[in-house]
Amino acid sequence: GDSVTQMEGPVTLSEEAFLTINCTYTATGYPSLFWYVQYPGEGLQLLLKATKADDKGSNKGFEATYRKETTSFHLEKGSVQVSDSAVYFCALYSSASKIIFGSGTRLSIRP
Amino acid sequence: DGGITQSPKYLFRKEGQNVTLSCEQNLNHDAMYWYRQDPGQGLRLIYYSQIVNDFQKGDIAEGYSVSREKKESFPLTVTSAQKNPTAFYLCASIPDRGSRTAEAFFGQGTRLTVV
Repeated sequence: GDSVTQMEGPVTLSEEAFLTINCTYTATGYPSLFWYVQYPGEGLQLLLKATKADDKGSNKGFEATYRKETTSFHLEKGSVQVSDSAVYFCALYSSASKIIFGSGTRLSIRP
Repeated sequence: DGGITQSPKYLFRKEGQNVTLSCEQNLNHDAMYWYRQDPGQGLRLIYYSQIVNDFQKGDIAEGYSVSREKKESFPLTVTSAQKNPTAFYLCASIPDRGSRTAEAFFGQGTRLTVV
């Protein structure tokens, strides 16, 4: 079945460091891909998405490119801030009409 | 303001009791989902519904039940058959059951604790 695998956390970085969180997927066809962010005690909110191969999603300085050849959708940010501390989830919308999430990566940014 | 409302925010259940978690949306969304989140883990799908009066089991449906009598409401009942119900429960919705590009909107979650 469809699945999402993402980088184990936690990830701890200093402010202004470069961030990469890896995400790969297994799916039938060409699913839409998403990154969601969860702040403590809250639900998830969409960070960015890409709906077809080679699309780049971007928002708030974060970017991810849909790579069909490597079945990947890695999240990057050039300079992280303390306010970026949260849990990040990679997800896809499967052919069975399910939203499938990765296990989440907790990110902590040191001032 | 449109959105998804989950209630209550915190819920305590005695062993052997059934409890119902509420999820209401005023976004006119077709599809609704229930997920369970355990500490340090990802989201696991419990049940989902694409249209009124229809729903499907997700990956961990045992010990849970749902109903979808109205488009805006998708309550989840945690039954006494669920052996380890303590978790954070999240409800989500998507505008169009046929859309594979639309983002999911989430409620703020209900934290259920068995006492």
